[in-house]
Parts: sequence; C-alpha cells; structure tokens
Amino acid sequence: EDQVTQSPEALRLQEGESSSLNCSYTVSGLRGLFWYRQDPGKGPEFLFTLYSAGEEKEKERLKATLTKKESFLHITAPKPEDSATYLCAASYNFGNEKLTFGTGTRLTIIP
Amino acid sequence: ETGVTQSPTHLIKTRGQQVTLRCSSQSGHNTVSWYQQALGQGPQFIFQYYREEENGRGNFPPRFSGLQFPNYSSELNVNALELDDSALYLCASSLGRHAIATEAFFGQGTRLTVV
Repeated sequence: EDQVTQSPEALRLQEGESSSLNCSYTVSGLRGLFWYRQDPGKGPEFLFTLYSAGEEKEKERLKATLTKKESFLHITAPKPEDSATYLCAASYNFGNEKLTFGTGTRLTIIP
Repeated sequence: ETGVTQSPTHLIKTRGQQVTLRCSSQSGHNTVSWYQQALGQGPQFIFQYYREEENGRGNFPPRFSGLQFPNYSSELNVNALELDDSALYLCASSLGRHAIATEAFFGQGTRLTVV
C-alpha cells in the first residue's frame, strides 16, 4: 500500500529560526510529490510539485527538495504568518490523479 | 484564490439523514476529486470523476456517491449519515489523464457535523 509519512507531527520555532520538515514516501511508481499549506478550517493551498530526485523549488522563505526516498520542506528565517499545517502528498497512478497524503506537520512560529 | 468553490461552508445533520455537497471546478479542469479530512488527519481520497465518469475510488462504503456534470461541477452525496462522517469535505480540481502528475487545487471545504 502506498504510504506517505511526515515528521515531526508538530514543530515550534522562534521567529527567524530555520528548520526542515520531512516527508517519506513509497518509492515505487511515484509520479509526483506535492507540498500544500493548510490554515485551520481551510482547504489546502498548493505550494510545490517535485518530479525527480535532485529537484528543488523555492518560494519566498520555503524550499522543497526531493531525494530518492524523502522530500524536505526547508523554511528559512520564518515569520509568524508561516504558521500553518504543511501537508505532503504523492501521486502514483497514471490516469487517476488520486493523492495520498501524510498527516501533516503543524508548524508554529513564535514572535 | 483557486477558483474552486464549495457549498455550503458549514452543515449540521442528524444521524441517518442524507446530505449533498457541491463543488464548482476551476476553469479548464476536467477532473474532480473528493476527500474527507478528519480533525488532525490528512485528507483521505473518497473518489474521483473524469469527464463525468467515476475514475477511481478509495476505501469508502457505497453510501458515499457522486456525480460530475457536463460543466465539470460535481456533487458528493452521503446517505444514512453516521457520527463518524463528521469531517471537513474537500473538493479538488485538476487536469486529469495528463502525461505528468498535475497539481490539484482545493476548495475551502464543507465542514459537516453529524449529531
């Protein structure tokens, strides 16, 4: 069964303190790895798509990277407005765009 | 804004009742997926529609059913509601059957509470 596992479950950082979130995924048949941000009570907001090992994408203070078995979301000098749950999801099936999600990392940035 | 809209935003139903949730896709997208998200969990795939045909289903019982219309909007129907059906229901639209996996854009969700 395809699996996506995220760690840590929760992370509290001081404003400006950089860190990384981890996403481990079932390697076989991966078609794409996605990162989303979700604010409480809202739908997930798309951040990045990664397709192959070695790929990196950046957006403001966030950078997503992909290795052969993991993906990392690096957050540099975070601000309180970066507080949210970050979800990792994988797509495996050609012809069916089902996403398999992890349980997310709840990030809190303390001013 | 993603262009994916869901209605209603909140709903309270009694156990045993039936509910219909609605979703309007992003312009140009032919695929709609529905997810259930329990509190503190990641979204779980319910099913997907591609050009009005069901195109994959997760581990949900038959009392969860859906439709996609010619304009690619969609409905999720749940019969015989149970307390465990209380969750945030998310609709996502995407460009399906593409050569590469494409990102899905989510609506704001419908919060369903079953009492």
